Amino acid sequence: GAVVSQHPSRVICKSGTSVKIECRSLDFQATTMFWYRQFPKQSLMLMATSNEGSKATYEQGVEKDKFLINHASLTLSTLTVTSAHPEDSSFYICSAPKLLSSYNEQFFGPGTRLTVL
Amino acid sequence: KNQVEQSPQSLIILEGKNCTLQCNYTVSPFSNLRWYKQDTGRGPVSLTIMTFSENTKSNGRYTATLDADTKQSSLHITASQLSDSASYICVVSASSGYALNFGKGTSLLVTP
Repeated sequence: GAVVSQHPSRVICKSGTSVKIECRSLDFQATTMFWYRQFPKQSLMLMATSNEGSKATYEQGVEKDKFLINHASLTLSTLTVTSAHPEDSSFYICSAPKLLSSYNEQFFGPGTRLTVL
Repeated sequence: KNQVEQSPQSLIILEGKNCTLQCNYTVSPFSNLRWYKQDTGRGPVSLTIMTFSENTKSNGRYTATLDADTKQSSLHITASQLSDSASYICVVSASSGYALNFGKGTSLLVTP
């Protein structure tokens, strides 16, 4: 099946610093990728849709200036958490759709655990 | 209100036993329903996907059913193994596009 990777798998940073998370589709191209945040024992919450060649689309309540998204190529999207605070500590997951027969299958990355001290 | 409700919230079973997880949804118009397995600290992995015309699909020891009339789905796990311990997430798509509606998941623990 298709593979989506994320880097880093976990990161610890100091409050006020910025952290960049990469999401790559390894064996297919994705003009669209999705970024989710997941708190403990909660479901995935869509943060934004990353679009190659255009601006990202953010879900209501997600600050676009805090969570910068850049879809640099057809296989790479990055999420930068700017001026991170402890409340930004979470599990960040990306996904990329790949067309399989008549539907788009979503392939998820392994996630990035962010801890802000 | 969440458009995808899962039950039970958590479940503990003995290794070798069977179990069934439930998913009810109100998402409309319906396109497809997916079950994912998410190990702790990992991304979700697809188990099954069913469209409107499909009412059952199997993937090894996992069998999913779908009743589009009552908007209910179940995931049956046969002969559970310790490695089945994970969160199982029901995801419903409202269209042929990318919009996904996530359930909160059922946390399954299989004990020796």
